[in-house]
Amino acid sequence: EAGVTQSPTHLIKTRGQQATLRCSPISGHTSVYWYQQALGLGLQFLLWYDEGEERNRGNFPPRFSGRQFPNYSSELNVNALELEDSALYLCASSLRWGSGNTIYFGEGSWLTVV
Amino acid sequence: QKEVEQNSGPLSVPEGAIASLNCTYSDRVSQSFFWYRQYSGKSPELIMSIYSNGDKEDGRFTAQLNKASQYVSLLIRDSQPSDSATYLCAALGFNKFYFGSGTKLNVKP
Repeated sequence: EAGVTQSPTHLIKTRGQQATLRCSPISGHTSVYWYQQALGLGLQFLLWYDEGEERNRGNFPPRFSGRQFPNYSSELNVNALELEDSALYLCASSLRWGSGNTIYFGEGSWLTVV
Repeated sequence: QKEVEQNSGPLSVPEGAIASLNCTYSDRVSQSFFWYRQYSGKSPELIMSIYSNGDKEDGRFTAQLNKASQYVSLLIRDSQPSDSATYLCAALGFNKFYFGSGTKLNVKP
């Protein structure tokens, strides 16, 4: 069974540009979570989508946004990139909230802003 | 108090020893707890989950949950150099998962 898949693996962008990261959850999982992990730091919660709707949002500016598609895949958009946005972006998925909420992570997407 | 707290370490143990990793949690999280291992530059991988008071064993790993004292621990028996990583404690809250900042474990050959 395929795990959580993310693309691209690496992405280099210039300050001010936009970045789009994509995630496909484990088959049967309807919840998708996004986390940011700057180098050497802990996981910072970004967004949670469940059944196509945004359920919770972390303490990040509005230029961080995303969506979940009918097939439960998700994308994270970061507008007006800043140097401090350089980080590993992790996507995770779980069964629908309230029905066994162990979350499993993808391999992550490294975003470098220059 | 943060929802989930861990000592950042590093915790150094010799090969073959028992490594003990600890995590405390607040009233704002539920009774579902998880341990993840994260190698440098890699994504977290689930080691085990624990929901009930007491011990849960899986191979060399034992998770312990003490609800009265609000702590969760992970014991790694016969520690190997390959166990050297950052270990993340996580707990399920009302509408999100809370992660601790992680404890770095170094297992010395």
